[in-house]
Amino acid sequence: DVKVTQSSRYLVKRTGEKVFLECVQDMDHENMFWYRQDPGLGLRLIYFSYDVKMKEKGDIPEGYSVSREKKERFSLILESASTNQTSMYLCASRRRTGTNEQFFGPGTRLTVL
Amino acid sequence: KNEVEQSPQNLTAQEGEFITINCSYSVGISALHWPQQHPGGGIVSLFMLSSGKKKHGRLIATINIQEKHSSLHITASHPRDSAVYICAGYTDKLIFGTGTRLQVFP
Repeated sequence: DVKVTQSSRYLVKRTGEKVFLECVQDMDHENMFWYRQDPGLGLRLIYFSYDVKMKEKGDIPEGYSVSREKKERFSLILESASTNQTSMYLCASRRRTGTNEQFFGPGTRLTVL
Repeated sequence: KNEVEQSPQNLTAQEGEFITINCSYSVGISALHWPQQHPGGGIVSLFMLSSGKKKHGRLIATINIQEKHSSLHITASHPRDSAVYICAGYTDKLIFGTGTRLQVFP
């Protein structure tokens, strides 16, 4: 069974802290994605990765960075968390070829105080 | 204007009612995805279609490529169908609508 897991379901951090959100998939998928979801705005793409050590900016990369050192793991980093980064963060993965279907993790609800 | 628009934004229904959620898109897409998001956040895929119609249980999804429109129908709705239904179009990436929040009351 396809599985994408995220390190935390809920996270509370303070302004200025460095925050790591981790995503792991067990499907040997090449492509991985980080989204944030906000009311009225839907899901917006932050960063994605086509392969190990590769990364591409999405639509809203400002204030974020990513790391993909292993194929199964894609990390989202908030270098200095701010209150406007309070959001739901969702990770997804998909195979490079064949179906375009993305498989999502359960989400991390981050609150920055 | 969003490239993928859904309507309605919110929908309430009585158990047993027939539900329709609409999705219109303004960009060229290779496929349309209908994920479902339950309270708590997890997203599961319901359908992915590039033409015609697909059916899974009480759920039916249709797409009209010429009109750039897709619909998701739920027959004999049930309280467990309460969720957010999202429409997303594939270009070189997924472009998401803002979702339709459905509540079905017993």
